[in-house]
Amino acid sequence: DAKTTQPPSMDCAEGRAANLPCNHSTISGNEYVYWYRQIHSQGPQYIIHGLKNNETNEMASLIITEDRKSSTLILPHATLRDTAVYYCIVRVLLDTGRRALTFGSGTRLQVQP
Amino acid sequence: DTEVTQTPKHLVMGMTNKKSLKCEQHMGHRAMYWYKQKAKKPPELMFVYSYEKLSINESVPSRFSPECPNSSLLNLHLHALQPEDSALYLCASSQDLGAAGGPQHFGDGTRLSIL
Repeated sequence: DAKTTQPPSMDCAEGRAANLPCNHSTISGNEYVYWYRQIHSQGPQYIIHGLKNNETNEMASLIITEDRKSSTLILPHATLRDTAVYYCIVRVLLDTGRRALTFGSGTRLQVQP
Repeated sequence: DTEVTQTPKHLVMGMTNKKSLKCEQHMGHRAMYWYKQKAKKPPELMFVYSYEKLSINESVPSRFSPECPNSSLLNLHLHALQPEDSALYLCASSQDLGAAGGPQHFGDGTRLSIL
């Protein structure tokens, strides 16, 4: 069932765009891609989600490829406060036959001054 | 600030104690979740409630007992825990369980230490 693959870590210079890739090549046709981030000692924070079209909100932009097999989260002007673990997540079919969001290992983004 | 409130923020308990973790949301969400997160690992799904009924139990040991008294509240009752159960316990909620059920909103968790 659909799982996601992300690079374990990335660096970005402060003020530059951070582009975080995610592979979800087995995603089902009606399942959304969700992005969260987790700053140390806090709960995961919702960033953005999308189905087919590109999406933008006040935090980030989400670019989804036409075949939906991968996506990229873009933080347009990274700040030190954006240092966090970023998770790309889809709903996965569990052994119980139900679907639920399941976290992968995520990408640890370090924004450098 | 989070719209999902978890109490207590920190809990230290012995292996013979009984305690409860509490989670509350007032967004009208009908799906609520418990996750467990060990240090430097991603959150792992434990339980899912939908419309106050248990929908998913990810083979969690019976020393963890969830309860959903109403649509706004979710409890996790703890009894006879082991040191390896020390972790951050996260609660989340979403509009519902389906594919279009919207994003999950997380609380900041309860950091549990078992002595």
